[in-house]
Amino acid sequence: AQKITQTQPGMFVQEKEAVTLDCTYDTSDQSYGLFWYKQPSSGEMIFLIYQGSYDEQNATEGRYSLNFQKARKSANLVISASQLGDSAMYFCAMREVNPSGGGADGLTFGKGTHLIIQP
Amino acid sequence: ETGVTQTPRHLVMGMTNKKSLKCEQHLGHNAMYWYKQSAKKPLELMFVYSLEERVENNSVPSRFSPECPNSSHLFLHLHTLQPEDSALYLCASSWEDGRADTQYFGPGTRLTVL
Repeated sequence: AQKITQTQPGMFVQEKEAVTLDCTYDTSDQSYGLFWYKQPSSGEMIFLIYQGSYDEQNATEGRYSLNFQKARKSANLVISASQLGDSAMYFCAMREVNPSGGGADGLTFGKGTHLIIQP
Repeated sequence: ETGVTQTPRHLVMGMTNKKSLKCEQHLGHNAMYWYKQSAKKPLELMFVYSLEERVENNSVPSRFSPECPNSSHLFLHLHTLQPEDSALYLCASSWEDGRADTQYFGPGTRLTVL
């Protein structure tokens, strides 16, 4: 079974500072994907960044980067130069790669981190 | 319309009512999902459809009944719900080709059961 742990229920960060949101995972699968989503108060789950278990380079998307440490089973999200609009819930999630090459599989989510950016 | 849309955005219903949630994806994806997000709990997968066939049902009570008439539309039919079913219901879609493909979510339906 897969499990995602986010140990920071809430964080306060000054605007323009960098912030790291922690995520550790547990799985017996060899092939899997790790995801980060942002959920503003409106409720929509917005995809931010993806890291494949076999990717050697850490994923980056604009101000978002994923610090992937496979041996430690951690996939921390780093947001550089934080902005007031970054205030939201952030969820780490994972899913296995379907070994048969087809079908679909749901995401396993962590409990989330509530990030508040202060001016 | 682009991305994944859901209607209605808000729904209040009594325990004896019957209602349906609708999800439509405009991304050309071949898999769709229903998730439930209750207060202070992680998102829970409810149903998965791949190529319009249900492939996973995470022991969801029968008062929730999904329907996937084609690859673009997904419904969740609700009947005789309980107050504890009040939650945000999120629909998602993805293109499945044997990798851990990204799921894209709709804005959700916030359901209140009285």
